[in-house]
Amino acid sequence: SQQGEEDPQALSIQEGENATMNCSYKTSINNLQWYRQNSGRGLVHLILIRSNEREKHSGRLRVTLDTSKKSSSLLITASRAADTASYFCLFSQGGSEKLVFGKGTKLTVNP
Amino acid sequence: SAVISQKPSRDICQRGTSLTIQCQVDSQVTMMFWYRQQPGQSLTLIATANQGSEATYESGFVIDKFPISRPNLTFSTLTVSNMSPEDSSIYLCSGRDTLITEAFFGQGTRLTVV
Repeated sequence: SQQGEEDPQALSIQEGENATMNCSYKTSINNLQWYRQNSGRGLVHLILIRSNEREKHSGRLRVTLDTSKKSSSLLITASRAADTASYFCLFSQGGSEKLVFGKGTKLTVNP
Repeated sequence: SAVISQKPSRDICQRGTSLTIQCQVDSQVTMMFWYRQQPGQSLTLIATANQGSEATYESGFVIDKFPISRPNLTFSTLTVSNMSPEDSSIYLCSGRDTLITEAFFGQGTRLTVV
């Protein structure tokens, strides 16, 4: 399969709660990136985490990477209705230059 | 990061016709990629386009259906040929300079085939 696995596929939470999304991949990676997509259009880059990093923060976002388990998670703390979007991980498989997306998590934050 | 201008942003096309999508980058980039996003789905890589070589297509995608050009380091086109309603999707281009830098994306082309 071209795509990595992401779970959950859909997540619905209340404003103020935390949201956690997971991404798994099959081969070694150089780095892993997380993107947000609103309304099926443009992709917004959130965070890039390198293969030698374990955790990275940006504002309310926290990304972890576990290369032994070939997985990454994205945590959004204190969620807001404006966080409602689809979230995707993106990574290069093995030493390849090509970039492959996970299946994505559709997050709904209810006011 | 660099900015990609992608056009058209949307189009409605008759079946059997072809549409060429253009992506212009505001700086030189080594690697460019083309993706398709079917309704409610994730993005699937169509091909990798590097200057000076033939595009590399992923399984399920062929050059006759999706010819790609990459004449220089700032420009690429994807043509969707002999379109059918099943080709109705969002098509996005992406650029990346090295294996360790972030990828950046065009705004997408929403294609409807009738």
